[in-house]
Amino acid sequence: GENVEQHPSTLSVQEGDSAVIKCTYSDSASNYFPWYKQELGKRPQLIIDIRSNVGEKKDQRIAVTLNKTAKHFSLHITETQPEDSAVYFCAASITGTASKLTFGTGTRLQVTL
Amino acid sequence: NAGVTQTPKFQVLKTGQSMTLQCAQDMNHEYMSWYRQDPGMGLRLIHYSVGAGITDQGEVPNGYNVSRSTTEDFPLRLLSAAPSQTSVYFCASSYTAGGTQETQYFGPGTRLLVL
Repeated sequence: GENVEQHPSTLSVQEGDSAVIKCTYSDSASNYFPWYKQELGKRPQLIIDIRSNVGEKKDQRIAVTLNKTAKHFSLHITETQPEDSAVYFCAASITGTASKLTFGTGTRLQVTL
Repeated sequence: NAGVTQTPKFQVLKTGQSMTLQCAQDMNHEYMSWYRQDPGMGLRLIHYSVGAGITDQGEVPNGYNVSRSTTEDFPLRLLSAAPSQTSVYFCASSYTAGGTQETQYFGPGTRLLVL
C-alpha cells in the first residue's frame, strides 16, 4: 500500500518568515495530495490540495508544489503569522478509491513573535 | 447543513466492553470513512464505505466493525474494547464528481479512553 513520509516533525519559525514542510509518497499511482491543518483539540481541515496534473498551486500565503518524478510534494507558507501555529498533515490517495487517504505523521508548526 | 457529526464527544470504557461510535452527514456524500489518530502516527484509515450497503477494510480494521444501511449514517462498532483502542476517532465524508477526488470533510472527533 501507499506510504507517506513527512518532515520535519516539528518546525519553529519567527513571525513573518516562511515555513516549508515536505512529504514523499511511495505509490506512483497516487494522484491527489491534500494538506490538512489541525489545531489543538479540533478536527483536521483542508487548507489546500493538488492533483497530479498540476505542478504548483497557490492560495494567498499558502502554496503546494508537486514533483511526480521524485514522488514528493511540499507545503509552503509565507509571511507566517501566530495563527498558523498548528499541526499540518499531508496525505495522498488515488482518485476513485473512495477517499482512502494515507496520511503523513504530521508537522507541528510553531510561529513565534 | 450540519456537515459531519459524531457522538459521543468523549467516552470511557472498560476492557471488554462494547460500544458504537455514531457518525452522520447531511451532505448526501457517497463516501464515508473512519480514521483513528494516535500521537506521532497521523491518521490511519480503519474502514470506509463507497455507498449504502458497501463497506471495506482500511489499514487498521482489526477490532472494529462497520455497516452502512443509509447514505447518511456510518457507525463504528467496538465489540470488545482493548486499551490499544484508546485514541481519537474521526469520521469523514466526501464525494467524487466525474471521477475527480473531492474534499474530505471531517467530523469533530470522538475521544475514547479504554481502561
